[in-house]
Amino acid sequence: DADVTQTPRNRITKTGKRIMLECSQTKGHDRMYWYRQDPGLGLRLIYYSFDVKDINKGEISDGYSVSRQAQAKFSLSLESAIPNQTALYFCATSRFDEQFFGPGTRLTVL
Amino acid sequence: GQQVMQIPQYQHVQEGEDFTTYCNSSTTLSNIQWYKQRPGGHPVFLIQLVKSGEVKKQKRLTFQFGEAKKNSSLHITATQTTDVGTYFCARNVGTYKYIFGTGTRLKVLA
Repeated sequence: DADVTQTPRNRITKTGKRIMLECSQTKGHDRMYWYRQDPGLGLRLIYYSFDVKDINKGEISDGYSVSRQAQAKFSLSLESAIPNQTALYFCATSRFDEQFFGPGTRLTVL
Repeated sequence: GQQVMQIPQYQHVQEGEDFTTYCNSSTTLSNIQWYKQRPGGHPVFLIQLVKSGEVKKQKRLTFQFGEAKKNSSLHITATQTTDVGTYFCARNVGTYKYIFGTGTRLKVLA
């Protein structure tokens, strides 16, 4: 579903580097979410935002920060990447309860 | 707590066999959602259950919410190769905020 896009789709970086993952949506939804997916652990919520001025921590926010630049854009930053942040990262949006996911960003931290 | 246990973690079935995945909670759920993630893809919303004892069907998929609203199941009748993927349940833990289960990975052998 091209309504939710994520860039980059793949990224390899080194320990200590700052990384930004970007999410854009054309659905007009107010609510946006960042999840990470690890094998056997499912999807874990990192941060979520219900509108431009609203930012909330999720289950695993340590080591991450976010920015909601506009209704359509929600960025996730790793200020100083570490190897255990290697994972598949998904952005999602919602109007009500149903969430619409982007294609994901596969991040590898060496 | 908010943990949602999902079993089994993996299931291999012969094409044409039935498949069931279960989601169990120690606390009462206000509602529960189910998502499907194809290999290499992103989670896609399937359904939301709200009422105690609710049963909903989508073609070969049957979704059930327990009478006590502490468990839910997804049953697939006569699996096909197109059913391959990981199935997640997600419990509501606040307004438009969900915690995902660990998922059940289904493999269908032709």
